Amino acid sequence: DVKVTQSSRYLVKRTGEKVFLECVQDMDHENMFWYRQDPGLGLRLIYFSYDVKMKEKGDIPEGYSVSREKKERFSLILESASTNQTSMYLCASSFYLAGGPLVGDTQYFGPGTRLTVL
Amino acid sequence: GIQVEQSPPDLILQEGANSTLRCNFSDSVNNLQWFHQNPWGQLINLFYIPSGTKQNGRLSATTVATERYSLLYISSSQTTDSGVYFCATGFSGGYNKLIFGAGTRLAVHP
Repeated sequence: DVKVTQSSRYLVKRTGEKVFLECVQDMDHENMFWYRQDPGLGLRLIYFSYDVKMKEKGDIPEGYSVSREKKERFSLILESASTNQTSMYLCASSFYLAGGPLVGDTQYFGPGTRLTVL
Repeated sequence: GIQVEQSPPDLILQEGANSTLRCNFSDSVNNLQWFHQNPWGQLINLFYIPSGTKQNGRLSATTVATERYSLLYISSSQTTDSGVYFCATGFSGGYNKLIFGAGTRLAVHP
C-alpha cells in the first residue's frame, strides 16, 4: 500500500514563527503536492513538485515556500506564520506519467496537519 | 481555469438508503477522481474515472466527459460512509494537477 506520512497531526504556533511541515512518501512518486483545506473552499493547491529540487506554484503560494531535497520528502515552509494561515494542510503524491492518461494516475494523501496560528 | 461544482453541498441519509452525488466541470478534462474524506480528515481515493462507469462494492461512478459531469452512487449506505466526498478534475499525465470541488458532506444515521 502507498503510504504518505506527515510530521504532525496537530500543531500550534505563534504569529511570526517559522513553521515547517514535512511530508514523506514511500512509493517513489515523482509528483508531490501541498494543499490547504478550509471550510466551504475545498482543497486549494499551494505548491507542487515534479522532481527533486523542482517546484511550481499552485493557486495560493503567497506566504509559503517549499523544499524538495530528496525524492521522498517534500517540505512546506511558512516563513512568518500569520493567523490567516490557520488551516488543515494536506500532502499528496502521484506518479509523473508522460504521454497521456493512464489508469492509476491517482493522488494519494497523507493524514493532514491541522495548524493553528495564534 | 477549470471550475468544479458539486451538489448537493450537504446530504443526510438513513442507513440503508441510496444516494447520488453530482460533479459538474467547466472544461474538457481527461482526469476525474472521486475522494472520500473520513471524519478524521484522511482522504482516500475512490475512483479514477475520466470516462465510463466503474464499480467498487456499494459504490459506483459514471463520468460523461462530453457532457462534463460525473456521478457517484452510494447504495445501501452505512454509517461508515459519512464524511465529505470530493470530486477533482484536471489533465492526466505529467504534473497531474487537480482542481477540487467544494465537496458534498454526507451524514448517515443509524
